[in-house]
Amino acid sequence: SQQGEEDPQALSIQEGENATMNCSYKTSINNLQWYRQNSGRGLVHLILIRSNEREKHSGRLRVTLDTSKKSSSLLITASRAADTASYFCALQPSGGSYIPTFGRGTSLIVHP
Amino acid sequence: DAGITQSPRHKVTETGTPVTLRCHQTENHRYMYWYRQDPGHGLRLIHYSYGVKDTDKGEVSDGYSVSRSKTEDFLLTLESATSSQTSVYFCAISDGAGGYEDTQYFGPGTRLTVL
Repeated sequence: SQQGEEDPQALSIQEGENATMNCSYKTSINNLQWYRQNSGRGLVHLILIRSNEREKHSGRLRVTLDTSKKSSSLLITASRAADTASYFCALQPSGGSYIPTFGRGTSLIVHP
Repeated sequence: DAGITQSPRHKVTETGTPVTLRCHQTENHRYMYWYRQDPGHGLRLIHYSYGVKDTDKGEVSDGYSVSRSKTEDFLLTLESATSSQTSVYFCAISDGAGGYEDTQYFGPGTRLTVL
């Protein structure tokens, strides 16, 4: 399968805590992207990490990629209630088409 | 939502009836995609288009057809709707300039219920 598997499926934390979600995959990739989906809305692109990168930051987001373990993690620091959403990893497999494949997502609830 | 609209936003229909969903973009992006989202399955690609009149199948294309006669519009048709096609349908666009690093922009979704 060229689909990423997010873990955990659901995560519930208090405001101010950090949230970590993971994406594991089985194929070689060109890059991996993370998207967010608020309830009842479309997905929104958060960040892209290339296969030759190990870590990227964007505001309160930190993404790591370990190609030897075929896994990525998304860390949201100092979570806010507004971070409540589902988070998806999207793989761009090596040698494949330009179209990424999406995982099933992690549902994050941040309690105020 | 990056200049993407979907219509209708909600639809209830009966088994066996034809249904057409419309995606309209104002970004002049080359690529357009139709996905369905179901609990436990995530987002699955139905069909995509890489230009006017140029379309190809995704992983779950059976029972669906598409058409793109203008850059801005991408239609998804269920010729004879079945209950298994009850889902939330998302349209997405990308400009293709990023190649393997292309970012997709999603519409607000259409919730379709087939009774």
